[in-house]
Amino acid sequence: DVVLTQTPPTLLATIGQSVSISCRSSQSLLHSNGNTYLNWLLQRTGQSPQPLIYLVSKLESGVPNRFSGSGSGTDFTLKISGVEAEDLGVYYCMQFTHYPLTFGSGTKLEIK
Amino acid sequence: EVQLQESGPGLVKPSQSLSLTCSVTGYSITSNYWGWIRKFPGNKMEWMGYISYSGSTSYNPSLKSRISITRDTSKNQFFLQLNSVTTEDTATYYCARFNYGRIDYWGQGVMVTVSS
Repeated sequence: DVVLTQTPPTLLATIGQSVSISCRSSQSLLHSNGNTYLNWLLQRTGQSPQPLIYLVSKLESGVPNRFSGSGSGTDFTLKISGVEAEDLGVYYCMQFTHYPLTFGSGTKLEIK
Repeated sequence: EVQLQESGPGLVKPSQSLSLTCSVTGYSITSNYWGWIRKFPGNKMEWMGYISYSGSTSYNPSLKSRISITRDTSKNQFFLQLNSVTTEDTATYYCARFNYGRIDYWGQGVMVTVSS
C-alpha cells in the first residue's frame, strides 16, 4: 500500500501567518494517464471531512484562494497564505492513484 | 444539492455483523461511485470500498474477506456490511461520493462502537 507521510503532525499558527503542510508518498503518484491524484481535505472538529484541493493544485468549489497545493511525484505541499480562525482542524492528504486508496496520517492545525 | 446520510446501529457486539445504510438525495447512485471510509479513534482514516454506477465493487484488500457493499437503486441507497467485527472496528463510518479521482461529498458520519 502507498504510505503518505504528513509533517508536521501538529502546527501552531497565529492568525494571518502563512503555513505549509508536507505530504510525502512512498511511491510516485503520477498515474499512467498523466494525472496525479493527490487531494487535500480538512476535517473540523465534529464535522465530516471537507474537500479542499484535488489533482495536486485544483481548488474545490467554494474553497478560499488562500489555500494552494503544489508538488509532483512523491512530494506535495498544502499552503495556507494567511491563516484564519475557521482553518483550524485536521488536514489530510489522500491519494487516488494506486489501490487501495490511502490517507496521510493527518496534521492538526491549532490557532495560537 | 448532493446529500448523503448514514444510518445504522451505534453499538455492535464482537463477532457480529455491522450494517449501515447511506441514503443519497439530490443525485442518482446510478452515476459515479459511492463508498465507505472510516476514521478510527485518533486520526487514522481508511478507505473501505465502493460500488460503481453499474453495481461493480472494489474493496480494500485488508477487509476483502469481511466486507460487502450493495445498493438499492429504487431507494437511492447503498449499504455496508462488515462481518465478524472486533473492537478494532470501532470507528466513525462515513459514506461518500467518489468523483473522478476525488471524494467530493461526504455524509455526516455515524459512530459505531464494537463492544460486548
